Amino acid sequence: NAGVTQTPKFQVLKTGQSMTLQCAQDMNHNSMYWYRQDPGMGLRLIYYSASEGTTDKGEVPNGYNVSRLNKREFSLRLESAAPSQTSVYFCASTPQGANTQYFGPGTRLTVL
Amino acid sequence: QKEVEQDPGPLSVPEGAIVSLNCTYSNSAFQYFMWYRQYSRKGPELLMYTYSSGNKEDGRFTAQVDKSSKYISLFIRDSQPSDSATYLCAMSPYGNNRLAFGKGNQVVVIP
Repeated sequence: NAGVTQTPKFQVLKTGQSMTLQCAQDMNHNSMYWYRQDPGMGLRLIYYSASEGTTDKGEVPNGYNVSRLNKREFSLRLESAAPSQTSVYFCASTPQGANTQYFGPGTRLTVL
Repeated sequence: QKEVEQDPGPLSVPEGAIVSLNCTYSNSAFQYFMWYRQYSRKGPELLMYTYSSGNKEDGRFTAQVDKSSKYISLFIRDSQPSDSATYLCAMSPYGNNRLAFGKGNQVVVIP
């Protein structure tokens, strides 16, 4: 049972490049989330998916898109990366009927 | 006013001391309260979970919730260097599993 996994662990992009961050969970959780964490700002919700087939914007969705591919996988895409998107990105998931979130190890993204 | 306020610290204590952390919040609808621990360059991990008001103890950790004051606390007894981490409070209302997080409080336990 790997829990929540994220790939890649590290990534460096140039301004304007695109990339997709991958997240998968093997706990049969219904809800999944994408956060970014910046110094002094705490965790900020980018997008979430309450269940397979649904996605909703969080606090800071601009510049991002998401896909809930199936119950296990929830990807985050940056279409045209900007330096302001330099951050650590965390994926999380929640079992049905619960409030607790379980986090992945994170992806450290630098946009030059 | 941000929904959840948490003093970012850092808080340095000698090994064996009691660590006291707290968060205040403004949304009276919050019913579920959590504390997460985050080691450097790792993801947050769930440490304590409480529902509504009261205390919960788990080993050296005690979580307290005072809904009348909109105040939650985490106490770490007999602190160890391995407790050095950032501690984030989180909370949510009934029927909504989106969490409101505090910014985190860095704790350093000095051997």
